[in-house]
Amino acid sequence: DAGVIQSPRHEVTEMGQEVTLRCKPISGHNSLFWYRQTMMRGLELLIYFNNNVPIDDSGMPEDRFSAKMPNASFSTLKIQPSEPRDSAVYFCASSYGQGSGEQYFGPGTRLTVT
Amino acid sequence: SQKIEQNSEALNIQEGKTATLTCNYTNYSPAYLQWYRQDPGRGPVFLLLIRENEKEKRKERLKVTFDTTLKQSLFHITASQPADSATYLCALGSGGYQKVTFGTGTKLQVIP
Repeated sequence: DAGVIQSPRHEVTEMGQEVTLRCKPISGHNSLFWYRQTMMRGLELLIYFNNNVPIDDSGMPEDRFSAKMPNASFSTLKIQPSEPRDSAVYFCASSYGQGSGEQYFGPGTRLTVT
Repeated sequence: SQKIEQNSEALNIQEGKTATLTCNYTNYSPAYLQWYRQDPGRGPVFLLLIRENEKEKRKERLKVTFDTTLKQSLFHITASQPADSATYLCALGSGGYQKVTFGTGTKLQVIP
């Protein structure tokens, strides 16, 4: 398996623009997680899905952020409009089953908003 | 509020020695604890899981302890090697849908 795939790997955009990050989880995994990592705040969970259904979006910072999972093999995280403070590395991770299963992380998308 | 603390200072250790990293938590009753390794420019990679009813887990040169009374986990790397240099993250979970909360990580540097 190719592992968790994220695109793009790098994104540079201007403040106010819409940004869409994409994730393809590992085939057969039923949970998907979106994280944001910064030096100041570390790795923060934004939202996670189980069987394509959003379970907990309490980590989404504000209404400018939205996430979807239309099917088991694809998810998007959208920021509209983007702001400089959104600059961070965004990771997608997937896992299988319930309970204490390990999470498999993608390579991340480094977002820079100028 | 829940708080997970890892030593924010980098840990420098001589090759061959045992590295010990700590993960302390407050206002939390985790059912399990995971340790991940993260290299620069990459996503975290899972290393070990330990449950609340387990005191110790081992995997090759790695050992994890979990003390729910002290609210602390220790992560040991024996016979450390320069290739072990990375940032190590602990993550606490309460069960259910595998949601975990990550600590801020400790950067380990093994000096040849």
